[in-house]
Amino acid sequence: DTAVSQTPKYLVTQMGNDKSIKCEQNLGHDTMYWYKQDSKKFLKIMFSYNNKELIINETVPNRFSPKSPDKAHLNLHINSLELGDSAVYFCASRRAGNYEQYFGPGTRLTVT
Amino acid sequence: GESVGLHLPTLSVQEGDNSIINCAYSNSASDYFIWYKQESGKGPQFIIDIRSNMDKRQGQRVTVLLNKTVKHLSLQIAATQPGDSAVYFCAENPGNQFYFGTGTSLTVIP
Repeated sequence: DTAVSQTPKYLVTQMGNDKSIKCEQNLGHDTMYWYKQDSKKFLKIMFSYNNKELIINETVPNRFSPKSPDKAHLNLHINSLELGDSAVYFCASRRAGNYEQYFGPGTRLTVT
Repeated sequence: GESVGLHLPTLSVQEGDNSIINCAYSNSASDYFIWYKQESGKGPQFIIDIRSNMDKRQGQRVTVLLNKTVKHLSLQIAATQPGDSAVYFCAENPGNQFYFGTGTSLTVIP
């Protein structure tokens, strides 16, 4: 069984559109994350979220918003997509008291 | 923001040789460090971690060394195998968040 899953795996869309990427973890973890990985493989944290606290990286545009319907899901919604949003987006999760993060397989977003 | 850098963006080694991947971190308050391995088309996968109160930690074929004086981490892979070919990231945790470096691409030559 996949521990952290993301859908879709690939997403191609036009500038100005609004899109969502879904993430689910079946590990019973308390905290979930979204990362952006650019073409040079640089991984940058965007959000961390548990049921008590949302921590937003101050460099993330407010067009990006995390939405958590329940503890096992953290979706990423993006408004007014721009060319520079093209990247691979990774969801991750971890258990409270444990630093190890488990990553999903990634969603490759291409904005044309 | 935080900055975690790597000295070498690419590294090629012969199969069977030892590999050393280096990482410089910027925040002296970081108290926990992780090395991740990312294979092509996959998400990063945990390899080994080390706390700031340690200088060395060993796993299966991997060793992490921490030099807090110069804020430097290294990952040593013994008897490198083709399956070790991947991008390796170090990450530091100065608080609630992890900050990743750019990554080093390791290629193992058969």
